[in-house]
Amino acid sequence: EAGVAQSPRYKIIEKRQSVAFWCNPISGHATLYWYQQILGQGPKLLIQFQNNGVVDDSQLPKDRFSAERLKGVDSTLKIQPAKLEDSAVYLCASSLEKTDQPQHFGDGTRLSIL
Amino acid sequence: GENVEQHPSTLSVQEGDSAVIKCTYSDSASNYFPWYKQELGKRPQLIIDIRSNVGEKKDQRIAVTLNKTAKHFSLHITETQPEDSAVYFCAASGSGNTGKLIFGQGTTLQVKP
Repeated sequence: EAGVAQSPRYKIIEKRQSVAFWCNPISGHATLYWYQQILGQGPKLLIQFQNNGVVDDSQLPKDRFSAERLKGVDSTLKIQPAKLEDSAVYLCASSLEKTDQPQHFGDGTRLSIL
Repeated sequence: GENVEQHPSTLSVQEGDSAVIKCTYSDSASNYFPWYKQELGKRPQLIIDIRSNVGEKKDQRIAVTLNKTAKHFSLHITETQPEDSAVYFCAASGSGNTGKLIFGQGTTLQVKP
C-alpha cells in the first residue's frame, strides 16, 4: 500500500512571501489532516477534511493560512504571507474514517522562513 | 481546553532495560489513544493504539495501559534495543467525535548499547 505523499520535502522562503504544500493521501482514505510540528513539540492539528468538506479548522490562522481538498483526494495548504513563526514541519495524515482510526503520516514539508 | 501532558521529556536506558512513558489527558470524552515513534527527520509512525473499552494492549515488546478513571495512559517497552531510540508521542482523541488528535510534547528515548 502506497503511503501518504507530500511535496516539496523542503522549502526556504523569506517572510511575507507565499508558499504552498501538496498532499496525496492513501487511496480510499476519506479523512485528511494537516498538522504543524514546531521543533521540539508534538504535531498540532491545523485543519481536517472529511472527503472535500472541512470538519475542523478551529486552529487554522485563517488570516494567512488556507487549505482545500478538491474532489476529496489531494489537498493543498497555503500560507500567504509567511511569518517567521511559521517555520515548522507541515505534516499531512490520512485515515479511513474520521473517528478512532489510525492516522498515517507523510514525510512532511520542512519550511524555513528567513 | 484539551491538553495532553507527557513525561518524561527525555529518557535514557541501557540496552535490555525497560522504558516507560506516561501521559495524562484532560478530556474525559477521549476514547482513542495512539502512540507514535518519530526518528529524526522522518514521519511519525504509529506503533500501537488503544481504545477506551480496553485496559491493556500488547504487541511483542511494546504494551500500552489505560486508566480512564485517572485519565492516564502509558507506553511500556521491554528489552529495549538501540533501534528503539527515537522521539515517542502519545495522543488522545479530542472532543466532538471528529477524530482530531491532541498530541503530547514528546519523549526522547535514548537506548545505550
